[in-house]
Amino acid sequence: QQQVKQSPQSLIVQKGGISIINCAYENTAFDYFPWYQQFPGKGPALLIAIRPDVSEKKEGRFTISFNKSAKQFSLHIMDSQPGDSATYFCAASSNSGGYQKVTFGIGTKLQVIP
Amino acid sequence: SAVISQKPSRDICQRGTSLTIQCQVDSQVTMMFWYRQQPGQSLTLIATANQGSEATYESGFVIDKFPISRPNLTFSTLTVSNMSPEDSSIYLCSVYRGKAFFGQGTRLTVV
Repeated sequence: QQQVKQSPQSLIVQKGGISIINCAYENTAFDYFPWYQQFPGKGPALLIAIRPDVSEKKEGRFTISFNKSAKQFSLHIMDSQPGDSATYFCAASSNSGGYQKVTFGIGTKLQVIP
Repeated sequence: SAVISQKPSRDICQRGTSLTIQCQVDSQVTMMFWYRQQPGQSLTLIATANQGSEATYESGFVIDKFPISRPNLTFSTLTVSNMSPEDSSIYLCSVYRGKAFFGQGTRLTVV
């Protein structure tokens, strides 16, 4: 059972365009929703994160939109650049036995073409 | 923040053999996590390793196949035992310090 559903699995965007990746979750115990960026040969790195008491968070060109009632959240990359080409994972975490257990989406491979 | 070093970064192994992956963190952490990232798939938690106790394995993963050591608060190893081509994946070490930090991963190919 996939607890965090992510779409699309691949995305091609023109330079300067907006990249949008969507995620949905089922477990209402999730209380932290991070996005990770992974370049080939590297481990995932935290890009931006949001808590469910906020509907939007913006950091530079990256924005998370969060809809608690729909149990959905999305990542928007404004003015996408070729350097943004990477795999993006949405995730959700909750406290489990004293630590944060993180569940990842399947990932979206983003390609930004010049 | 946390700096995590994983070794080896990649390896090609014969089926039936075992590979031990090392993970070193730059400061002490209570828990370390091991993930598997199969080709085109998401990150799946294999087990959680506490220092001084047996690792806790997620559903579908067993100690005989993925033995884990955690000898101190900055180091852990994951062994992939009796490997088959289906074990070809990226294996990632992670720690949680306000957010999840990952090593660069070990790309394993089993032939």
